[in-house]
Amino acid sequence: DSGVTQTPKHLITATGQRVTLRCSPRSGDLSVYWYQQSLDQGLQFLIQYYNGEERAKGNILERFSAQQFPDLHSELNLSSLELGDSALYFCASSVATGPYNEQFFGPGTRLTVL
Amino acid sequence: DQQVKQNSPSLSVQEGRISILNCDYTNSMFDYFLWYKKYPAEGPTFLISISSIKDKNEDGRFTVFLNKSAKHLSLHIVPSQPGDSAVYFCAASNSGNTGKLIFGQGTTLQVKP
Repeated sequence: DSGVTQTPKHLITATGQRVTLRCSPRSGDLSVYWYQQSLDQGLQFLIQYYNGEERAKGNILERFSAQQFPDLHSELNLSSLELGDSALYFCASSVATGPYNEQFFGPGTRLTVL
Repeated sequence: DQQVKQNSPSLSVQEGRISILNCDYTNSMFDYFLWYKKYPAEGPTFLISISSIKDKNEDGRFTVFLNKSAKHLSLHIVPSQPGDSAVYFCAASNSGNTGKLIFGQGTTLQVKP
């Protein structure tokens, strides 16, 4: 158990809908990262927050947005869903920013768009 | 543009033998490399890392080798154990950035008893 929790574990929805994925980082971790893993692909970096502020952005679609709240949990919002958005979404947390700080991953949320 | 590539989707090895997983990268700005291991229904877990100032890093049965001129790294597992069966991801980063990791596609390792 990494200490990072993600809810829900599974989500099935239809095209055009909007969903929210939630991540609670490990106690004491200030940095949260979101990654997307599509079928047979590696993890693609989406976005990073540190202590409530956006720190880095990857190839995140405009239909996707995220935020980190004062209690440090984070939410990833996906809207106008398309079939291609079906993927595993992982959240990771670390104590601080920078690659030398180990990232601890949650178990992921599996999103299926029908 | 796949900046980190793991060209072998799968590898099968006998228990007790060496497992060698390979990874290539294209971005010369990468100076920090990591390997993650992932079991089904779990998130990736950190295994071992190496900075570009080194060419080898060892941690128990796991050794990572870095060849900067070839932009290639490899993970050696000796001896391999059935519990090592998992998906292994190579990842790269730049020490000057905020920590985002660029992952390869992963290699599924099966260690047969």
